[in-house]
Parts: sequence; structure tokens; C-alpha cells
Amino acid sequence: QKEVEQNSGPLSVPEGAIASLNCTYSDRVSQSFFWYRQYSGKSPELIMSIYSNGDKEDGRFTAQLNKASQYVSLLIRDSQPSDSATYLCAVIGQAGTALIFGKGTTLSVSS
Amino acid sequence: NAGVTQTPKFRILKIGQSMTLQCTQDMNHNYMYWYRQDPGMGLKLIYYSVGAGITDKGEVPNGYNVSRSTTEDFPLRLELAAPSQTSVYFCASSYFSGGSNEQFFGPGTRLTVL
Repeated sequence: QKEVEQNSGPLSVPEGAIASLNCTYSDRVSQSFFWYRQYSGKSPELIMSIYSNGDKEDGRFTAQLNKASQYVSLLIRDSQPSDSATYLCAVIGQAGTALIFGKGTTLSVSS
Repeated sequence: NAGVTQTPKFRILKIGQSMTLQCTQDMNHNYMYWYRQDPGMGLKLIYYSVGAGITDKGEVPNGYNVSRSTTEDFPLRLELAAPSQTSVYFCASSYFSGGSNEQFFGPGTRLTVL
């Protein structure tokens, strides 16, 4: 059974701080990794994708991937109250097409 | 582009009733998916399609059926609704040709079975 694990939170950070969200996955041959943001009552919104070991930056977001440790993380710099949401980690395995989701981490940014 | 659209937004069914959840995408994506999300849980794949006329089961297909006669549409059919099918249903689509498979989601259908 392929699994994706995330701490459910809530993760609480003050405005302007760095929020660090973590995810581990069980399928060693996974190739593609995604972070989705989901506001309450809304659909998941893709915010980052990463395919190679290392860091990938997009604005205030940085995704980090370590395939040897089967670990992917998302850093949000200068956190804003509008970043308060549930962040879903998702993985696609080798030759796979469907996303396997973690249960999500709830982030709360206080002003 | 409207992206991925879903109808209805909300629906209440009685046990044993049937319904079809509609999903349409206008991005010319070849792959389409149906996921369900239960409270506090991640999304689970019900069915997916790699192109018109081709569908396959996901992790939780029991109680559902799909068809894909066109590139744009991927309806999900619930037969004999049960309380366990109370959930939020998301349709998604992607263009996949062996590389990236970034999936984009519709707004969802919130279904309650009483």
C-alpha cells in the first residue's frame, strides 16, 4: 500500500515567519511530487511541483525533495494570514498517473 | 478557459437513489480523474481515464461507474446511493505524455446521502 504521511497540525506561525511543512512517502520509485493548497470548502489548488532532488523556488514558496530519505517539504517565507489553509502533499509513482495524497497539514498564520 | 467545471455543486440523495455527477474540461487534457474527499482525509481516487473510451478503476471504485465518450466530459454515476458515499467529489484533469502530470481540479460536488 503506497502511503503519503503528513502531520495533521495545526501548525501555527506568526505573520512574517517561515512555515515548514513536511511529507514522507513510502513508494521508493515515486517520481513526481506536488503541493496543493486547499482553503476550507474549496478545491485543491496546485502551488508547487518538484521532480528532482534539491530545492525549487517560486516566489515565497520553496519545495525541497530528498529521494534517498523519501522526504519532501514546503517552506513558505514571510507567511501571511491568507496562507492559512490545508496543504496537501501528493505523489505519483513510477509510470503511475494518479495522485496519492496525504491527509494534509493545516496551517494557521496569525496577524 | 473555464478549466474544470462540475455540476451540481450540492446534492442530497436518499438511500437507494441514483445520480450522475457531471465533469467537463476545456483544456484539451487527455487524462481525467474522479476523487472523493471525506472529512479530515486526503483525496482518494475513484476512477480515471487516459482518453476517450478508456477508463480504469482507482483505489475506491465500488458503487460507482464512469464513461468517457468525449475528450471533454467524464461523468461519474452513483447507483443505489449509500450513506458511505456521503463525501465531496472532485474531478481533475491533466495533460500527460510521460513527463509532468500536473492535475487541475474542479470546484467539487458536495453529496449527502440520507
